[in-house]
Amino acid sequence: GAVVSQHPSWVICKSGTSVKIECRSLDFQATTMFWYRQFPKQSLMLMATSNEGSKATYEQGVEKDKFLINHASLTLSTLTVTSAHPEDSSFYICSAQWGGSSYNEQFFGPGTRLTVL
Amino acid sequence: AQTVTQSQPEMSVQEAETVTLSCTYDTSESDYYLFWYKQPPSRQMILVIRQEAYKQQNATENRFSVNFQKAAKSFSLKISDSQLGDAAMYFCAYRGYGNKLVFGAGTILRVKS
Repeated sequence: GAVVSQHPSWVICKSGTSVKIECRSLDFQATTMFWYRQFPKQSLMLMATSNEGSKATYEQGVEKDKFLINHASLTLSTLTVTSAHPEDSSFYICSAQWGGSSYNEQFFGPGTRLTVL
Repeated sequence: AQTVTQSQPEMSVQEAETVTLSCTYDTSESDYYLFWYKQPPSRQMILVIRQEAYKQQNATENRFSVNFQKAAKSFSLKISDSQLGDAAMYFCAYRGYGNKLVFGAGTILRVKS
């Protein structure tokens, strides 16, 4: 299957700072990327959907100004957590697919663990 | 809005035995896809099996098979000849016209040797 990478895999930051997480599709062009958040032993919650060259579509309850998503190329999407606080500590997972149809498989990255002190 | 329900927070199975994980969903859409994903301790999401709603035949992938009951909106996963490597969190997921994956709460599967 297709490969999606995330960087970094683990990050610790101080409260009030910003953190950027990268999601890359390594062997295919990802027209659509998704960002999820997962708390320990819980399910994945979709945060936003991004299409290359367009603004991201955020799910209800997700703060757009806090979680900045950029999908500037067909192989890269970034999630920036601005002014991070301890409650933002979580596991962030991205997925990517070619095309916008539900038929196209989503390929998941390995996730990024964010700890805010 | 679509919802996915997994009523078994945790299941255990003896190695080489068979186990069934339950999933029900709610939707008003007529065309959709259903998935089972595995999340091992590494937390990498792995697609186990996929079912198209328009197909009556149940999907199978080696030791993994599903029982898809469209009228009952039920989508269970059967794992045959369970192996230690099957131990993981399993998520049932729905994907409809909106292209979004909606996940259930997950079922932790423990495999006993």
